[in-house]
Amino acid sequence: GIQVEQSPPDLILQEGANSTLRCNFSDSVNNLQWFHQNPWGQLINLFYIPSGTKQNGRLSATTVATERYSLLYISSSQTTDSGVYFCAGGAGSYQLTFGKGTKLSVIP
Amino acid sequence: ETGVTQTPRHLVMGMTNKKSLKCEQHLGHNAMYWYKQSAKKPLELMFVYNFKEQTENNSVPSRFSPECPNSSHLFLHLHTLQPEDSALYLCASSRPVSGANVLTFGAGSRLTVL
Repeated sequence: GIQVEQSPPDLILQEGANSTLRCNFSDSVNNLQWFHQNPWGQLINLFYIPSGTKQNGRLSATTVATERYSLLYISSSQTTDSGVYFCAGGAGSYQLTFGKGTKLSVIP
Repeated sequence: ETGVTQTPRHLVMGMTNKKSLKCEQHLGHNAMYWYKQSAKKPLELMFVYNFKEQTENNSVPSRFSPECPNSSHLFLHLHTLQPEDSALYLCASSRPVSGANVLTFGAGSRLTVL
């Protein structure tokens, strides 16, 4: 099956700083999604981005499908950005393989 | 509020109990999923239903029994669980986007097995 590696596993930022999270895939995927899990467990879908670049407010994501990686950019971080960021990938069907996540802590 | 509602949010049960988790989606999606999230492990897909028909069963023990009476409701029936089954159980539904299934999750049901 597809292996998903996320880096870094942990990240501590000062409020206002920018960050880049990375997700590598062992094989090609045509379904790639980024999620944010808040401290209470709620997972929110941030992006569906099998290729190219998308932006949503302070967040943006870029996927380079030919090189099997995706990046999530967080700009001007806020304390509410804290939580765990997951990427997940799949190649057809309903199977999505999740990475172990990047735990982000934004401190005031 | 994501449009996917899970109840109960917290559940404590003994190993001999029978309980059920419920999931309801108000998004008009066709597919519904159960995922398990254990401490320090990636999310694991348990079951998928599409138009009420089970399409995926990832070798889940029979003490977990899913039920999907219609496209909006999904249940996970639990019986004779083990302490290692304690986890956050997440329900999701999906919509098709360019052939891919884009997930929307509920808030989860945190299960503790004593």
